[in-house]
Amino acid sequence: DIQMTQSPSTLSASVGDRVTITCRATQTISRWLAWYQQKPGKAPKLLIYGASTLESVVPSRFSGSGSGTEFTLTISSLQPDDFATYYCQQYNSYPGTFGQGTKVEIK
Amino acid sequence: QVQLVQSGAEAKKPGASVKISCKASGNALTRHYLHWVRQAPGQGLEWMGTIDPTGGSTTYAQNFQGRLAMTRDTSTKSVYIELSSLTFEDTAVYYCARGRDMATILCAFDIWGQGTMVTVSS
Repeated sequence: DIQMTQSPSTLSASVGDRVTITCRATQTISRWLAWYQQKPGKAPKLLIYGASTLESVVPSRFSGSGSGTEFTLTISSLQPDDFATYYCQQYNSYPGTFGQGTKVEIK
Repeated sequence: QVQLVQSGAEAKKPGASVKISCKASGNALTRHYLHWVRQAPGQGLEWMGTIDPTGGSTTYAQNFQGRLAMTRDTSTKSVYIELSSLTFEDTAVYYCARGRDMATILCAFDIWGQGTMVTVSS
């Protein structure tokens, strides 16, 4: 199975900060990567697919980049609604493994 | 608005089975695979498997082979997951999620159910 590793596991930031989360795969997955946002007690929400394509209605302050084995999710200016846990997921091959998550906390 | 609505919370004893439903509104599942993902308390997300709601074909994660079954009822636009031989480690929130791309098994998940809590305790 392909393993996905996110860093950091926890990130403390302030409103307005630029935030970057990294996701690394143990083998190449081309650009078959998605990013999700999850808030406590809620289902995950798709933010980005194909490594860099923004899902509809997702604010443009979110962006994704990367290919192969290394990917990043960037929030250009953190907003109060963005404090949540973020997961990457590869869908290059079965099983569609997720990263362990990155919790973005208020500093 | 496209939605997936899941059945309610379940409490089971070890060794029992649980069956959860996921009902789609409108044509939410037409030509889209339906996936199941679970999340143990305080933990990350784990993909369990997928079903083609039209043809019924299934693919399961190796971890669940032999005790997981996914079925569908096209007349009610519902998909079901049944997990047997439950252990304490199966305590989790179970989500159904729609594959974003039509007729594509491996893709991102764009619509999620609200989740169903399954608690396994003696």
